Amino acid sequence: AQKITQTQPGMFVQEKEAVTLDCTYDTSDPSYGLFWYKQPSSGEMIFLIYQGSYDQQNATEGRYSLNFQKARKSANLVISASQLGDSAMYFCAMREGDAGGTSYGKLTFGQGTILTVHP
Amino acid sequence: DGGITQSPKYLFRKEGQNVTLSCEQNLNHDAMYWYRQDPGQGLRLIYYSQIVNDFQKGDIAEGYSVSREKKESFPLTVTSAQKNPTAFYLCASSPWTGRNNSPLHFGNGTRLTVT
Repeated sequence: AQKITQTQPGMFVQEKEAVTLDCTYDTSDPSYGLFWYKQPSSGEMIFLIYQGSYDQQNATEGRYSLNFQKARKSANLVISASQLGDSAMYFCAMREGDAGGTSYGKLTFGQGTILTVHP
Repeated sequence: DGGITQSPKYLFRKEGQNVTLSCEQNLNHDAMYWYRQDPGQGLRLIYYSQIVNDFQKGDIAEGYSVSREKKESFPLTVTSAQKNPTAFYLCASSPWTGRNNSPLHFGNGTRLTVT
């Protein structure tokens, strides 16, 4: 079974509009972390935002915010005021277990969503 | 500036040849990782290492080998046993903070083409 599911292969948004990229996850571990990365066409992976399973509030970083619904096991990324430079592939990823556990800090990634911002 | 260096950026090999991808970090991170990415796909974990002289198989380790003789270096060898080696390979590292919120820091990747 997929641990991270991103159901939107591609999304389109108009410049200056907001867009939501979906991510659902599957884990039985009570302690986990959720990450979003951006991958431009150059291939580099850029860390955007983090949400911990015990965090009481949704994470925000500038124009990025995370709509974390723990009971539904979803962690959707919201990008406000889209810019042309936001066009890229976006990945949701999960780290299970405590950092000191046997996971060795590895991340499991979803399949990604390609976001295209139109002028 | 601290970072992760992967070399070369593009690599071409003939089928049946082993090839080693370099990954060096000067971030003083304990953990290092190798991921593979196929076109339009997500990242899949090949190998990872928490400390020197120790490494673990990831989800798709068959046909690959690694070594971790130094904290800064985590080279990946793609062997001739790997059935479909053409892919984009990403190396990453992470500090061992004891907390769950440390992101992975990635290199710029090596695009391997085997013909």
